[in-house]
Parts: sequence; C-alpha cells; structure tokens
Amino acid sequence: LAKTTQPISMDSYEGQEVNITCSHNNIATNDYITWYQQFPSQGPRFIIQGYKTKVTNEVASLFIPADRKSSTLSLPRVSLSDTAVYYCLVGWVSGGYNKLIFGAGTRLAVHP
Amino acid sequence: DTGVSQDPRHKITKRGQNVTFRCDPISEHNRLYWYRQTLGQGPEFLTYFQNEAQLEKSRLLSDRFSAERPKGSFSTLEIQRTEQGDSAMYLCASSAGQGAGEWEKLFFGSGTQLSVL
Repeated sequence: LAKTTQPISMDSYEGQEVNITCSHNNIATNDYITWYQQFPSQGPRFIIQGYKTKVTNEVASLFIPADRKSSTLSLPRVSLSDTAVYYCLVGWVSGGYNKLIFGAGTRLAVHP
Repeated sequence: DTGVSQDPRHKITKRGQNVTFRCDPISEHNRLYWYRQTLGQGPEFLTYFQNEAQLEKSRLLSDRFSAERPKGSFSTLEIQRTEQGDSAMYLCASSAGQGAGEWEKLFFGSGTQLSVL
C-alpha cells in the first residue's frame, strides 16, 4: 500500500512548465520524499529528492511546504522526451527494514 | 560499469518451466532489491538484501520464487514451475544505503521481461 497519492495522468504541451503534486499525509519525521521517472521498457530513474523547502537540480525542482504533507515536482519547459510515468515515494520501514513502495504514478503526456 | 545490469533482457518460457534471472548491482552498493512490474502498474516490491542477507520477502511472493545474493555481490531470482501470471518485467535495483535519505536513491536496471506461454 503506497503512502502517497498523485494524479493518475496529466497532459501538457512542449515548452510548458508541468507541476505534479503528491500528497503524503502520514509522512514520518525521518522520511525523505523521492521522485522517479520511468520510460517504457526501462527501470525507474531517480530524478530528485528532498526533505523540506525547495530542491533544484538540472532536471527538476521539488517544492515541499513546511508541514511536509505534500510535495510538488516541477518540470520546466517540458519536451516530448519528458513523456513518462513519474512516481512520488516516501520511505517505508516495515519490520525494521527499509523498502520503497511504488504506487501507480502519474502518466505525463507531452504533446507537440 | 557504472550501472545495474540485468540478464537476460527478455525470456520466453513455457508454463511449468523454471527460469533464473541475474542482477549485477553497482559494486559499492550494499542494498539490493527485486521488484516486479506489470503493464500499467508501478513496480511491486518482491524482496530485499543487505549484503548477502535476505532481510525481507513480500508476502505476495509464493514459495515458487527464491532469491539469493551470495557473497553480497550479484543476485539471482529463480521462479520454479512458472505460471502465466508470472509474466511481467522483473526489476533489480541497488542503493548505497548510507546517510540520511540515501537508501531511497535506488538505481534500477533495465529489467528482465518474462513471458510465460
């Protein structure tokens, strides 16, 4: 059972900014928020991670409000190659061991 | 080699046959995970190793599935008496697991696509 909730799908056009919001109401104090991107027939790829406030790298930005119960992945000026499934995850500790539980993710379709 | 490699990329087998997949993680990573993914779904956790110890196995995993990681390096996932419902992409991932937030940074291989006829 995933600990996060995110939209099933989104559509955008080339050059636009895309924001995908994820809710994680039961996030624990020590949990980090991690986002992955997956293309067809490939494994997921780590794109960004944060704990609080804002994180930016060469691929995306991640905004986390003070209560940490949600986060927003921001993809600036998307291109057709950004069409993929995006997963938002928070850490899951079960029986003392760490594992990441994936939900269905958000299917982003970028149109010309 | 800077990534996780999996072999084979594709496997077609007949129902009832045994299959084995191999995963070579990033060399300095002590954590190794196996996931299974079907079309339209997110990856489903199967099992997890820290070094050579298998620390957790999903309750969804039947006894036909077994995984090993001898010497804490590569790992194998074996499926005995395959069924059509086993058809899926089998993904391996590794992580360094050191430091705050680091264990959540999983590096995935390209997966093994299994088709059971």
